[in-house]
Amino acid sequence: KAGVTQTPRYLIKTRGQQVTLSCSPISGHRSVSWYQQTPGQGLQFLFEYFSETQRNKGNFPGRFSGRQFSNSRSEMNVSTLELGDSALYLCASSLSPSGGGNEQFFGPGTRLTVL
Amino acid sequence: DQQVKQNSPSLSVQEGRISILNCDYTNSMFDYFLWYKKYPAEGPTFLISISSIKDKNEDGRFTVFLNKSAKHLSLHIVPSQPGDSAVYFCAATDSGTYKYIFGTGTRLKVLA
Repeated sequence: KAGVTQTPRYLIKTRGQQVTLSCSPISGHRSVSWYQQTPGQGLQFLFEYFSETQRNKGNFPGRFSGRQFSNSRSEMNVSTLELGDSALYLCASSLSPSGGGNEQFFGPGTRLTVL
Repeated sequence: DQQVKQNSPSLSVQEGRISILNCDYTNSMFDYFLWYKKYPAEGPTFLISISSIKDKNEDGRFTVFLNKSAKHLSLHIVPSQPGDSAVYFCAATDSGTYKYIFGTGTRLKVLA
């Protein structure tokens, strides 16, 4: 069974630009969560989608948005990029919504560098 | 406000000895805790978990202990192996929000 895939793996953008990251969950998984990982901050929860609906949202500005398609694939968009958005963006999928007992499987991440 | 804290950014242990990674949390509503391991250039992989109704869970060389009164959990790896060298994240969630809150990670280095 293929794991969680994320594209692209690496991305370089300049301030003010916008970016779209893609995540394909494990086949059969309907929940997709997004995290931002920066040095010293660990993994910060961005949002979670289940059956095309956003179930949860972290404390990030409105420049960060996402969506999920009917095939459970998810995209994350960041508009008006800032230097501080440089991070590893991780996507995780699970069979059902996150919570006790629902193991999340992570993709390898997209490394975004904002210049 | 960091609800899940891993106060040791790094830890070095000799091969064959015990590795103890610690994690503290502040939210008493958390009822499920997990440990993930992350190698460079890979996403985190699930290691072991524990429900708040238990105080210990064991899986092979890995044991997680939960002390609810102290709001503290720890991961014990015995015996430690060089392949265990990675960054370890603890995470917590509650049945109300279903959000996973991660700590900042501890980099474990097992010396051969």
